Amino acid sequence: SYELTQPPSVSVSPGQTARITCSGDALPKKYAYWYQQKSGQAPVLVIYEDSKRPSGIPERFSGSSSGTMATLTISGAQVEDEADYYCYSTDSSGNVVFGGGTKLTVL
Amino acid sequence: QLQLQESGSGLVKPSQTLSLTCAVSGGSISSGGYSWSWIRQPPGKGLEWIGYIYHSGSTYYNPSLKSRVTISVDRSKNQFSLKLSSVTAADTAVYYCARTAYVDADDYYFDYWGQGTLVTVSS
Repeated sequence: SYELTQPPSVSVSPGQTARITCSGDALPKKYAYWYQQKSGQAPVLVIYEDSKRPSGIPERFSGSSSGTMATLTISGAQVEDEADYYCYSTDSSGNVVFGGGTKLTVL
Repeated sequence: QLQLQESGSGLVKPSQTLSLTCAVSGGSISSGGYSWSWIRQPPGKGLEWIGYIYHSGSTYYNPSLKSRVTISVDRSKNQFSLKLSSVTAADTAVYYCARTAYVDADDYYFDYWGQGTLVTVSS
């Protein structure tokens, strides 16, 4: 079955740039989406259609996609950005696929 | 602002049926261009999509859960529901409802989520 692969963890210091990757064979033809999930809370959409930012999401969040890899970039990460981040896409048949999640530590 | 709120039993016995409802406010469940999904997350684990329903009543389920899942919609109450039969401890999870937005028929995502409700399967 189709999988999206993310690193289990990423760690940065406050103010640094955090990059979280997501690899998947269908990404050249499918959009990638990114969700932020803080402890005990529901996921929040932070990037849609590879690189678009929903209203209310800080400008330091950006997304890109090239070939089989999508990347979520947090420029100048803040302590409040510490969370689990999930990439998401659909496969060639339209089935839902979530990545395994990446725990971002900012300290 | 669209809001979704899950409700239902937080404790279900093994082999019984889990039942949850998602109330939608700030918008109509009959709005064109969207469907309505259930997603779950076992404690400490990742997200698993369960299925979705259009306001017309058409459904699409995760193949791995299809035999046990029923999603229905009540347009008069602006809500939709989930039933998961023959539950086991493996079905213990936080259950979320979410609105599904479409780029095209095979490309969609979840733009609004409920806060989630924990369902524990235990005798």
